[in-house]
Amino acid sequence: NAGVMQNPRHLVRRRGQEARLRCSPMKGHSHVYWYRQLPEEGLKFMVYLQKENIIDESGMPKERFSAEFPKEGPSILRIQQVVRGDSAAYFCASSPPPGVPYNEQFFGPGTRLTVL
Amino acid sequence: KNEVEQSPQNLTAQEGEFITINCSYSVGISALHWLQQHPGGGIVSLFMLSSGKKKHGRLIATINIQEKHSSLHITASHPRDSAVYICAVRSYGGSQGNLIFGKGTKLSVKP
Repeated sequence: NAGVMQNPRHLVRRRGQEARLRCSPMKGHSHVYWYRQLPEEGLKFMVYLQKENIIDESGMPKERFSAEFPKEGPSILRIQQVVRGDSAAYFCASSPPPGVPYNEQFFGPGTRLTVL
Repeated sequence: KNEVEQSPQNLTAQEGEFITINCSYSVGISALHWLQQHPGGGIVSLFMLSSGKKKHGRLIATINIQEKHSSLHITASHPRDSAVYICAVRSYGGSQGNLIFGKGTKLSVKP
């Protein structure tokens, strides 16, 4: 019973390159959440997705960041033209469909992005 | 002022001690989460609660909705409990993923 999987675990990019972070939710989970943890700061919500649908993207920066969760395959967080300030740990979490009022989230191990 | 405040920021304890970590929040919430972040960075969800008290092994979480306060207790602490403990809330009207996080409490348990 695999947990939430993220890859790569570590990603190094030069300024101006693109970063693609992948998240495979737990089996049976159809909801995915992305969070960012900047160095020495707390976690911040970025985006909440269902398959083929963005539910809440209120935490996403307005430019360069996008997320998708296609019908088949993992969820992708894409950062275009990375800058040094994008260096952070990016965590994905997943939960089952809302059949109960409050769904527990299960977290992946994170992707640590370093921008040189 | 942050919407979610945790205290203390850092905590050092001797093995076997009873530990309490506090979380206060200023918004109306529909749920509160306690998370554990290991030294390696991985995050584990410990509890999700909206009222009362939950217990899992040596961990106990309580919440007082009227006082907007939650506590995480660890009984008979052990060095393997050393981690950062994070409180997060989901505010009324917010989506279930839109959590507001505290800055965490770094716990170190000495043998």
